[in-house]
Amino acid sequence: AQTVTQSQPEMSVQEAETVTLSCTYDTSESNYYLFWYKQPPSRQMILVIRQEAYKQQNATENRFSVNFQKAAKSFSLKISDSQLGDTAMYFCAFTHGTSYGKLTFGQGTILTVHP
Amino acid sequence: SAVISQKPSRDICQRGTSLTIQCQVDSQVTMMFWYRQQPGQSLTLIATANQGSEATYESGFVIDKFPISRPNLTFSTLTVSNMSPEDSSIYLCSVESTTRGDEQYFGPGTRLTVT
Repeated sequence: AQTVTQSQPEMSVQEAETVTLSCTYDTSESNYYLFWYKQPPSRQMILVIRQEAYKQQNATENRFSVNFQKAAKSFSLKISDSQLGDTAMYFCAFTHGTSYGKLTFGQGTILTVHP
Repeated sequence: SAVISQKPSRDICQRGTSLTIQCQVDSQVTMMFWYRQQPGQSLTLIATANQGSEATYESGFVIDKFPISRPNLTFSTLTVSNMSPEDSSIYLCSVESTTRGDEQYFGPGTRLTVT
């Protein structure tokens, strides 16, 4: 069975600064995908970034980037130039190639960006 | 990405009654998914709904409690039956991306409170 662990229940950062959210996972699969989702107070789940396990290059989407360490089974999210609109719950999630759609989520990290 | 709507957005229901939640997508998709998010918790997959076949339920979820319909490629319903206060949660539907099968897009969720 796959597990996803987010060890930081809450984080805070000043506007314009950088913050890193941690995620570790456990799987015996070789073909899998990792995601970070954002859930603001409106509760709409928004896909932030996606990483394919077979790609060594870390994914980047504007101010969001990941540090994917496959051997360590670590998948952290870095948010640069934090904005007030980044305040949300962030979930790390996993799916594997033989079971698309069955997302396994971590417990979530509440991120607060302070002005 | 797909545009997904859910009805109702929220409801307060009496113990022992049932509620049917609707999920509508603006494009045809093969797989739709239903998740539960209990208060302050992460998301847990309830079932996968494919058009033309019975839904596939995850461990801990049964059809009698959460019957699902999938009459066409753009619509699904989830019924929460014989509700108890423990069913108070946010229920979210999601769909697979038509371009990247590993990605999912989520609806805005239905906040259910059972009294």
